[in-house]
Amino acid sequence: GAGVSQSPSNKVTEKGKDVELRCDPISGHTALYWYRQSLGQGLEFLIYFQGNSAPDKSGLPSDRFSAERTGGSVSTLTIQRTQQEDSAVYLCASSLVRGAVDEQFFGPGTRLTVL
Amino acid sequence: AQSVTQPDIHITVSEGASLELRCNYSYGATPYLFWYVQSPGQGLQLLLKYFSGDTLVQGIKGFEAEFKRSQSSFNLRKPSVHWSDAAEYFCARSQGNLIFGKGTKLSVKP
Repeated sequence: GAGVSQSPSNKVTEKGKDVELRCDPISGHTALYWYRQSLGQGLEFLIYFQGNSAPDKSGLPSDRFSAERTGGSVSTLTIQRTQQEDSAVYLCASSLVRGAVDEQFFGPGTRLTVL
Repeated sequence: AQSVTQPDIHITVSEGASLELRCNYSYGATPYLFWYVQSPGQGLQLLLKYFSGDTLVQGIKGFEAEFKRSQSSFNLRKPSVHWSDAAEYFCARSQGNLIFGKGTKLSVKP
């Protein structure tokens, strides 16, 4: 079956512009996570969604970052007024349910470059 | 706060040699531990996971890991490395979301 997909695969933008990154989780997976992978910080958790519950935004680095998940499926991560330090690979993952023991399946990521 | 440490940033081994990648965790009674592999340009793939029970867990691609509570470790091993194993390896623990170590890059010499 289809895995987690993300689009675009690469995004180059100018400092100060807004960007939207999209994630399509595996069908039927109720939990969805966003992570960021950068050279300096490694892999960091950003936000997760579980069903219709309020998202856990505890990993978002600033209020320029936001995310939504429509219809319990597709998710969009939005970065407003991008800065050069936002350059990173943004990874999306989904799991059947949110639990410490549940395997997360990762997408290929979106490489964001802020000039 | 919970954390995961991978002491080795880069390891080089010869093809056919054995491999051990180190991982240490801090805090928490029963950690839920994972090893992921990331090949160049690829997403993260789960190799194996430990929740409870037998402390030696088997994974895909011939990898295994041993959980040692006394040492707060969860080291990844493979008896004979193949050139295709060259990749970056991440140890992680779960609290719902994953907390990752910084990763160990594995290079394989022919």
